[in-house]
Amino acid sequence: GQQLNQSPQSMFIQEGEDVSMNCTSSSIFNTWLWYKQDPGEGPVLLIALYKAGELTSNGRLTAQFGITRKDSFLNISASIPSDVGIYFCAGQSGYSGAGSYQLTFGKGTKLSVIP
Amino acid sequence: DTGVSQDPRHKITKRGQNVTFRCDPISEHNRLYWYRQTLGQGPEFLTYFQNEAQLEKSRLLSDRFSAERPKGSFSTLEIQRTEQGDSAMYLCASSMGQFHYEQYFGPGTRLTVT
Repeated sequence: GQQLNQSPQSMFIQEGEDVSMNCTSSSIFNTWLWYKQDPGEGPVLLIALYKAGELTSNGRLTAQFGITRKDSFLNISASIPSDVGIYFCAGQSGYSGAGSYQLTFGKGTKLSVIP
Repeated sequence: DTGVSQDPRHKITKRGQNVTFRCDPISEHNRLYWYRQTLGQGPEFLTYFQNEAQLEKSRLLSDRFSAERPKGSFSTLEIQRTEQGDSAMYLCASSMGQFHYEQYFGPGTRLTVT
């Protein structure tokens, strides 16, 4: 089945630093999404990407849909303490009413921010 | 605009008992999804509904699991004869129309089977 590899698994950074994480797949996806999850809560959608090569921002977050459609990247600029959490990438292969709408998730990147 | 809600938030049950969880999607969202998440892993897809029709089921959804979405509104997920391996967070998500790729998750139900 489809698998997503997320890296790094965890990272410790100083407040104010920029963060980069990525996700790779052996399969092509038509949509990439990035979520953030706090302990004991459900994932919260951060950014959705729909086109290969697309670069999308949401405040301090920027994500890119890789041109091969097999990878995606998330950058967080000027990190703050509330950025702490687990970040998940998710891919979806469905499109235009066809295919599967299930999301395939990576295992997550755990981010810790040192004040 | 209220988000996806799930009830209960926590459930502790003894092995062999049946449990049922409820999910209320964002109003007007016609698609509803169930996922399971174990410690240290990302959510794994279980099943999804478009309106009241169950359109896709994962191999993870054994015959002890059943999901329904009567009238295309809320959904229930029932697990019969629970096993310790069923202990996990059960997440519900919903999406709508043109943006069905964007799935919005509820807070989850944490199941512990003792």
